[in-house]
Amino acid sequence: NAGVTQTPKFQVLKTGQSMTLQCAQDMNHEYMSWYRQDPGMGLRLIHYSVGAGITDQGEVPNGYNVSRSTTEDFPLRLLSAAPSQTSVYFCASSYGGAGANVLTFGAGSRLTVL
Amino acid sequence: DAKTTQPNSMESNEEEPVHLPCNHSTISGTDYIHWYRQLPSQGPEYVIHGLTSNVNNRMASLAIAEDRKSSTLILHRATLRDAAVYYCILRDVGTSGTYKYIFGTGTRLKVLA
Repeated sequence: NAGVTQTPKFQVLKTGQSMTLQCAQDMNHEYMSWYRQDPGMGLRLIHYSVGAGITDQGEVPNGYNVSRSTTEDFPLRLLSAAPSQTSVYFCASSYGGAGANVLTFGAGSRLTVL
Repeated sequence: DAKTTQPNSMESNEEEPVHLPCNHSTISGTDYIHWYRQLPSQGPEYVIHGLTSNVNNRMASLAIAEDRKSSTLILHRATLRDAAVYYCILRDVGTSGTYKYIFGTGTRLKVLA
């Protein structure tokens, strides 16, 4: 049981380049989400999804796109990277519904934009 | 915005109990209280959660106030490995009626040897 898998673990981009951070989970979780964490700061929610075909914006959605075509995958796209997007990105998932819904986190993807 | 309020930092001596407070005055009747922690250079990990009653597991205890507007995470004997940022979170409702989890800045726990 792999849990939440994020790829790549490390990435360096130049300003203006695009890339996709991948997130996959094998727990049949309905809820998936992306957070970013800047140095010394807490986690800020970027986008989230409560099921395939349903996405919504979090606290800091600008500059990022998401889609949810399958239950398992929730990729995060940076269309034109900026130095302000240098951060560590975490993907998290949980069961949906009205229950406790404990979040499971991936190991993170460290992105540097030059 | 985060629906919880926590102190920015706390210190504890090793082998002593630690009580980490959290205020959540706007909690709804169906909201679970979750605690996560983030060790240095790692992703957050689940610690404990509860709804109304106090909860215990192998990592910690969760004491929930009778009116549910506050809770306390209790580490019974702090070790150096417990030094981390501890987050108390509730489920929030997005603009389209979907739910989400806002983390806030958490409490940075320093454990002194």
